[in-house]
Amino acid sequence: NAGVTQTPKFRILKIGQSMTLQCTQDMNHNYMYWYRQDPGMGLKLIYYSVGAGITDKGEVPNGYNVSRSTTEDFPLRLELAAPSQTSVYFCASRKLAGVSPNTGELFFGEGSRLTVL
Amino acid sequence: QKEVEQDPGPLSVPEGAIVSLNCTYSNSAFQYFMWYRQYSRKGPELLMYTYSSGNKEDGRFTAQVDKSSKYISLFIRDSQPSDSATYLCAMSRSGGSNYKLTFGKGTLLTVNP
Repeated sequence: NAGVTQTPKFRILKIGQSMTLQCTQDMNHNYMYWYRQDPGMGLKLIYYSVGAGITDKGEVPNGYNVSRSTTEDFPLRLELAAPSQTSVYFCASRKLAGVSPNTGELFFGEGSRLTVL
Repeated sequence: QKEVEQDPGPLSVPEGAIVSLNCTYSNSAFQYFMWYRQYSRKGPELLMYTYSSGNKEDGRFTAQVDKSSKYISLFIRDSQPSDSATYLCAMSRSGGSNYKLTFGKGTLLTVNP
């Protein structure tokens, strides 16, 4: 059972380039999330999804896009990369509300470390 | 005022010490309170979960929630070098489809052997 898998683990981009961070979970979780973590700043929610075909913005969505065509996959697209997008990105998933036991736990991937130069 | 405030530390203690980590929050609508532990270059992992007010104990870890003061705490007894990590508090208003965690900035803890 792999849990939440993120690729790539590391990437360096030039300003203006685009890329997609991949996220896959094998726990059949309905909810999926993308966070970014900057040093000393905690985790900020970028986008989230409550199921296939449904996505919504979080706190810091500008410069990003997402799609959710399957339950398992939730890719994050960066368009026109900027230095401000240098960060560590975490994908997370959670089981459907009402499914017992449900502590509200988010299961995180190991992160994708992105540098924009 | 930020929704969730957490002292980033760093905090350095000797092995065996009692550690107290704290967060304050401003939104009285928060009902679900969590502590996540994050080892260096890893994703966060849930350590403790509490719904509404009260205490919860799990081994050497105790989580406390005081909703009247908008204050949550995590206590670690008999701290071990393996407890060295960043501890993030997190909270949510809703448990359903609108469940979104708001995280503190995290406190970096080092337990010295």
